[in-house]
Amino acid sequence: GAVVSQHPSRVICKSGTSVKIECRSLDFQATTMFWYRQFPKQSLMLMATSNEGSKATYEQGVEKDKFLINHASLTLSTLTVTSAHPEDSSFYICSARRSDRLNTEAFFGQGTRLTVV
Amino acid sequence: KQEVTQIPAALSVPEGENLVLNCSFTDSAIYNLQWFRQDPGKGLTSLLLIQSSQREQTSGRLNASLDKSSGRSTLYIAASQPGDSATYLCAVRPRGGSNYKLTFGKGTLLTVNP
Repeated sequence: GAVVSQHPSRVICKSGTSVKIECRSLDFQATTMFWYRQFPKQSLMLMATSNEGSKATYEQGVEKDKFLINHASLTLSTLTVTSAHPEDSSFYICSARRSDRLNTEAFFGQGTRLTVV
Repeated sequence: KQEVTQIPAALSVPEGENLVLNCSFTDSAIYNLQWFRQDPGKGLTSLLLIQSSQREQTSGRLNASLDKSSGRSTLYIAASQPGDSATYLCAVRPRGGSNYKLTFGKGTLLTVNP
């Protein structure tokens, strides 16, 4: 199966600082990547769809200035949590879709546990 | 708006038992349905993908069925092992060739006791 690598797996930051999370497709190209947020014992909630070479599409209620997404290449998307607050503490997971195939399954990264203190 | 429900929320079984996890969705206009496994603090591992035209998919001890008209899917795990302990999530992708957004259930936390 295709491999999606997410880095870092854990990060602790101070309130007011920014944190960048990377999502890489290691052995395939991905024109579209997805960023999810997961609260304890809750389902994954889609935050935004990241499109290579264009602006990300954010879901309703997600602040685009708070969660900056950049998808500069076919194998890398980044999520930057700006001016982080404790309520931003959560588990963030990315997903990538293969560009070269239809009807493919979604491939997910290992997730990033963000703790804002 | 699509809603995905998974029952039960948690399940504890002795090793060797066969078990069924349930997933239901409110909008039958789906493109496919996918079952995932999530270990604590980890990402998602895809288990099975069922296209809307298919009735079931099998992989080893896992069998997933899909009844699109009734909005239901089941994941059958045969001869469960302690290593199967994890949270199992189902997700549906809506119909529409360019729409890849998945809607997830909250998952079923499975514990297989040795």
